[in-house]
Amino acid sequence: NAGVTQTPKFQVLKTGQSMTLQCAQDMNHEYMSWYRQDPGMGLRLIHYSVGAGITDQGEVPNGYNVSRSTTEDFPLRLLSAAPSQTSVYFCASSWTSGGADTQYFGPGTRLTVL
Amino acid sequence: GEDVEQSLFLSVREGDSSVINCTYTDSSSTYLYWYKQEPGAGLQLLTYIFSNMDMKQDQRLTVLLNKKDKHLSLRIADTQTGDSAIYFCAERGFNDYKLSFGAGTTVTVRA
Repeated sequence: NAGVTQTPKFQVLKTGQSMTLQCAQDMNHEYMSWYRQDPGMGLRLIHYSVGAGITDQGEVPNGYNVSRSTTEDFPLRLLSAAPSQTSVYFCASSWTSGGADTQYFGPGTRLTVL
Repeated sequence: GEDVEQSLFLSVREGDSSVINCTYTDSSSTYLYWYKQEPGAGLQLLTYIFSNMDMKQDQRLTVLLNKKDKHLSLRIADTQTGDSAIYFCAERGFNDYKLSFGAGTTVTVRA
C-alpha cells in the first residue's frame, strides 16, 4: 500500500492562476479531507468527503473547490490563486467517521502564490 | 467552533522527560489525539485517548486527560533527538469526522 499520496510536492503560482492539487489513497477509505497548515494556526479543514459523490465544506472553504468521483481520488482545485492561499496543504483519509478511527495524512503540498 | 490551545515551543535536554500540554473547550469532545510532524513530512498519529479514560500509556508515551478542566497532556519519557518535531493536539466528537487541531508545539531536544 502506498497510503495517501499527494502531488505535486512543491508548486509556485502567480496570482490569478488556477491549479489542482492531487490526492489519492489506496486503502479503500470512505472519508477524505483537505487541510491547510499555516504557522501558529495548526491545521484547518478546507473540504471533506464522506464517500464518492458527496462533499462538504469545512472551516475555510472559500477559494477552493473539490469533487469526489471515485473512492480513491479527492482533488482540490484553486480556481484563481491568491497570496493568502500560500500554505502547506495536507490530504487525509480514514475508514469511517466514528470510533477512534485513525486519519492517515499525505506528505503535503507546499504552495506559494506570488 | 471548537478551540484547542497549546504552547508553541518546548526545549528539553536529551534524556529528560518532555511534557506537552493542551486545553480544549468543546465539552462534547470524545476522542483526543496527539500527532507528530517531523520536518517536511505529514502528520503521524502518535496516540489517542477516549474521553472516559484518565490515562493511557504506550511505551515512552503517557497521555493524561483531565476532563473536568478540559486539559490533555503528553509526556515523553527519556526524550531523544528523534523526538524533535511539532506535536499537535486534536479533538473530535463522537460520530464527527472533523478534527480540530491546536497550533502545534515545537519540541527541540538539546544534547
